[in-house]
Amino acid sequence: RKEVEQDPGPFNVPEGATVAFNCTYSNSASQSFFWYRQDCRKEPKLLMSVYSSGNEDGRFTAQLNRASQYISLLIRDSKLSDSATYLCVVNWEGSNYKLTFGKGTLLTVNP
Amino acid sequence: NAGVTQTPKFRVLKTGQSMTLLCAQDMNHEYMYWYRQDPGMGLRLIHYSVGEGTTAKGEVPDGYNVSRLKKQNFLLGLESAAPSQTSVYFCASSYGRLGAYNEQFFGPGTRLTVL
Repeated sequence: RKEVEQDPGPFNVPEGATVAFNCTYSNSASQSFFWYRQDCRKEPKLLMSVYSSGNEDGRFTAQLNRASQYISLLIRDSKLSDSATYLCVVNWEGSNYKLTFGKGTLLTVNP
Repeated sequence: NAGVTQTPKFRVLKTGQSMTLLCAQDMNHEYMYWYRQDPGMGLRLIHYSVGEGTTAKGEVPDGYNVSRLKKQNFLLGLESAAPSQTSVYFCASSYGRLGAYNEQFFGPGTRLTVL
């Protein structure tokens, strides 16, 4: 089983839509969870960390379910500028250097 | 602050040639990393460093060497390039140990093609 698996996508949604991405991880000792955003031919940038109680940043909401080893990202009121690849990233306990990246899900928001 | 910078941005090599990719950060970060990103795959860690003068292997270290002689620089070397090393290479740095409150910052990437 791959360590971090994401929806394969791609997702094509109209402006204003709500879109959700899912991610599962295989290592139960995983400790820290993140969503990164990567624009075409650019470097990944941290979008948000994911906390156990769930967290929200404007139109973005991240949820964590440790029992099911599942992370989600919800984007409300999609903007054209949200078009990017979204990477699910996990860091497990005891590993102070290693982030494990999912393959990413491509989102295209259409006018 | 420039953040994390990488040199060069693009490079084409012939099989068997050597080259060095330079990564520099001006954030006084202790930890630095080299990743490669290939189509259909997540970023994979090649080598990393937890401080000046230290380096360690990541997931895919074969065919690469690294050096961290100065805190702000992390060099990635290809001694004898192979077509399988065609990829986009990203350098990253973090202040310290990774975690929810310790972000990893990435450079803009180097696109390498080996013919």
